[in-house]
Amino acid sequence: DAKTTQPPSMDCAEGRAANLPCNHSTISGNEYVYWYRQIHSQGPQYIIHGLKNNETNEMASLIITEDRKSSTLILPHATLRDTAVYYCIVRSMIYNQGGKLIFGQGTELSVKP
Amino acid sequence: NAGVTQTPKFRILKIGQSMTLQCTQDMNHNYMYWYRQDPGMGLKLIYYSVGAGITDKGEVPNGYNVSRSTTEDFPLRLELAAPSQTSVYFCASASAETQYFGPGTRLLVL
Repeated sequence: DAKTTQPPSMDCAEGRAANLPCNHSTISGNEYVYWYRQIHSQGPQYIIHGLKNNETNEMASLIITEDRKSSTLILPHATLRDTAVYYCIVRSMIYNQGGKLIFGQGTELSVKP
Repeated sequence: NAGVTQTPKFRILKIGQSMTLQCTQDMNHNYMYWYRQDPGMGLKLIYYSVGAGITDKGEVPNGYNVSRSTTEDFPLRLELAAPSQTSVYFCASASAETQYFGPGTRLLVL
């Protein structure tokens, strides 16, 4: 499984956009980029995923570079409830590899008033 | 839909005791997973299953066993509890696109 690199922590002002970077330079063609977040000690929550095109949903936007070696998760208007650890994960979609998520350390995002 | 449910929520074990952590999903997902999370760390994959009757080891399988006799259930067994197994355990199930996590079981081994 490809490894990901994320900054350990970031701060963001409430109401501003939070841009969380992730490097995945060894990603292969059948691997997707997934983002999850974990608030306090709850189970991780799915945010968004993509293969090579930019994606947007009601929670966030995902920007993937053309070479697919890095991506950025954008929370357009961060709120205090977005304070969490954000995990960038590369996931194989090959059936017999189990579709498993391999978590790194993530980025601890603190949204401040 | 209840999603992914885990029992118990919290348990204290003595060293050497055994227990089974229960996990059930009602989304008819083929994929299921067990993770553990130590304080301040990311999640580590213990075991996973791609369907009933099929299981495989993850990153940290030692000291654990699993079975998958039905699509819905994926229990995790600790045979001889050790203090190093003190952790929060998360079960997850997945469709082709997304993993859904349970609320976790907090286990303390003393």
